[in-house]
Amino acid sequence: QKEVEQNSGPLSVPEGAIASLNCTYSDRGSQSFFWYRQYSGKSPELIMSIYSNGDKEDGRFTAQLNKASQYVSLLIRDSQPSDSATYLCAVIQNTGGFKTIFGAGTRLFVKA
Amino acid sequence: GAVVSQHPSWVICKSGTSVKIECRSLDFQATTMFWYRQFPKQSLMLMATSNEGSKATYEQGVEKDKFLINHASLTLSTLTVTSAHPEDSSFYICSASSQLEENTEAFFGQGTRLTVV
Repeated sequence: QKEVEQNSGPLSVPEGAIASLNCTYSDRGSQSFFWYRQYSGKSPELIMSIYSNGDKEDGRFTAQLNKASQYVSLLIRDSQPSDSATYLCAVIQNTGGFKTIFGAGTRLFVKA
Repeated sequence: GAVVSQHPSWVICKSGTSVKIECRSLDFQATTMFWYRQFPKQSLMLMATSNEGSKATYEQGVEKDKFLINHASLTLSTLTVTSAHPEDSSFYICSASSQLEENTEAFFGQGTRLTVV
């Protein structure tokens, strides 16, 4: 089992729709979760961080965390073509030191 | 967010030569730096974790004698790809963190695209 799993996609949504990206993780002790966006050929950039169960909203983005189910998601409302990118789920593992483990990423296409 | 500068942004080198990539945290002290490699259409793969002043911890399957990591100060870490071969061609990305607490995010450098010919 991979440590952080994401559906590779591509996920295609029409402009203005809600895009839903999902992620599961294996380390039950993980407490910190992040969503990064990566455009082709560029470095990842942080979109959201979430540490507590429930929802966290920032503009058009909402992160959802369910530690019991080991599940974290990202919702993008009113999707725009500029949101087309690969979205990486990241989880911090504590293995005697903290390190960030990334999922394989989900490619999102927003059609104009 | 904090700024992490990675240099060079791209490099082309001949097979058998060595290439050094620098990663600097410009406005914070990075106690921990991470080096990732990303092949086309694949995810980031953690290569190694380095803590300032100590030896790097390499992930399974990563040759420590080939990928030399130095983290001599709280603002600078270097990755040297020794005796580079075409299969080492990839996108190398560093991230830096003052990861003293579990919820501290890491900030990424711009990445270095290495092409070995």
